[in-house]
Amino acid sequence: EIVLTQSPATLSLSQGERATLSCRTSQSISRYLNWYQQTPGQTPRLLIYGASDRATDTPVRFSGSGSGTDFTLTISSLEPEDFAVYYCQQRFIWPYTFGQGTKVEIK
Amino acid sequence: EVQLVESGGGLVQPGGSLRLSCAVSGFTFSSYWMHWVRQAPGKGLVCVSRINGDGSNIDYADSVKGRFTISRDNAKNTLYLQMNSLRAEDTAVYYCVREWRAFDIWGQGTMVSVSS
Repeated sequence: EIVLTQSPATLSLSQGERATLSCRTSQSISRYLNWYQQTPGQTPRLLIYGASDRATDTPVRFSGSGSGTDFTLTISSLEPEDFAVYYCQQRFIWPYTFGQGTKVEIK
Repeated sequence: EVQLVESGGGLVQPGGSLRLSCAVSGFTFSSYWMHWVRQAPGKGLVCVSRINGDGSNIDYADSVKGRFTISRDNAKNTLYLQMNSLRAEDTAVYYCVREWRAFDIWGQGTMVSVSS
């Protein structure tokens, strides 16, 4: 099973600041890496697929990069609705696995 | 409108069974891999099982293999998860999810609680 390690566990930032979230995989997965956002009490929402492609309705302030084992989700300027938990996921091989999540909280 | 609506969750004793259903609308159900993903209270996301469009390919997480069975009825646009021999650690919200390059559409989830 491929293990995904997200860092940091918690990111404390202010509205308007830049957020950089990391996801590292235990083996190379090419670009089969997705990012999801989950706000409290809500269903996860797809943000980025294929490491860098924005999903429908994903704002342009969200961008993804990376390949192999190291990936990054960047939020260029935090909006109030961006304070949430973010999960990375690999779909290179079954079982598809998720990282443990990074919580982006208001500083 | 694309929609996934789960049902069938509830409170069950350890060793008991439940059958989850996911009614699908708004897209050609038979064309997509479908998944069940669960999330224990306050925890992260875990893939439980997946099934391809015609039901000929099925996979399970090791933690549920031999206890859970995924199936689909394309004529009824419905995905199922039969859960037997339930354990306390199966307590979670169970999401029905469509896969297209990623998990692009999620249901609202149904809560399964396993407790005596």
